[in-house]
Amino acid sequence: AQSVTQLGSHVSVSEGALVLLRCNYSSSVPPYLFWYVQYPNQGLQLLLKYTTGATLVKGINGFEAEFKKSETSFHLTKPSAHMSDAAEYFCAVTPTPWNSGGYQKVTFGTGTKLQVIP
Amino acid sequence: DVKVTQSSRYLVKRTGEKVFLECVQDMDHENMFWYRQDPGLGLRLIYFSYDVKMKEKGDIPEGYSVSREKKERFSLILESASTNQTSMYLCASSPTTEGVAKNIQYFGAGTRLSVL
Repeated sequence: AQSVTQLGSHVSVSEGALVLLRCNYSSSVPPYLFWYVQYPNQGLQLLLKYTTGATLVKGINGFEAEFKKSETSFHLTKPSAHMSDAAEYFCAVTPTPWNSGGYQKVTFGTGTKLQVIP
Repeated sequence: DVKVTQSSRYLVKRTGEKVFLECVQDMDHENMFWYRQDPGLGLRLIYFSYDVKMKEKGDIPEGYSVSREKKERFSLILESASTNQTSMYLCASSPTTEGVAKNIQYFGAGTRLSVL
């Protein structure tokens, strides 16, 4: 079983300020973790992913996330917010594939809407 | 780039109507998915398909059915639309390959359905 909790359905930051979006997960097996972004009136697109190896993962548009196993967290950060970062962000988890082929259930969080204030 | 196209961005239907939502992907992906997205609830999986003519129920299949006659096309059907099916519907696809690639989903822009 797996689940994702995103703390804060709405986050507001000033332009140029640090962005921190929180994600905690639970998984009975080692997870793969993802952040997706949804801009207004668009579908979701992949921002970054963690599989194995380096725990600090860099994504598009200056975002990064750090996998912390001891804290079961995968928080998303960006040093300096830009107006174009205003969007909804979804954390997602899936179990590490243990066989070839087949569908691995992806569980999405409830999303965090980021507002950037000029 | 992978492209997932949903035929309608906005739909308005009446209660009791039969509604078809169409989705086409151009990357030869085996897996296709239908989600509904509601504020505060995130994405909930309705149905998915891992091959032509194959389908599996997701977390909230009640009131919905699906059809996959061709690999690139996955349709969501509301047999008799109800007001509680007013929502944003997202289609996605993913490949069946080794490793993380098969867990990455590519989404369409969504169909916002209003049932009056």
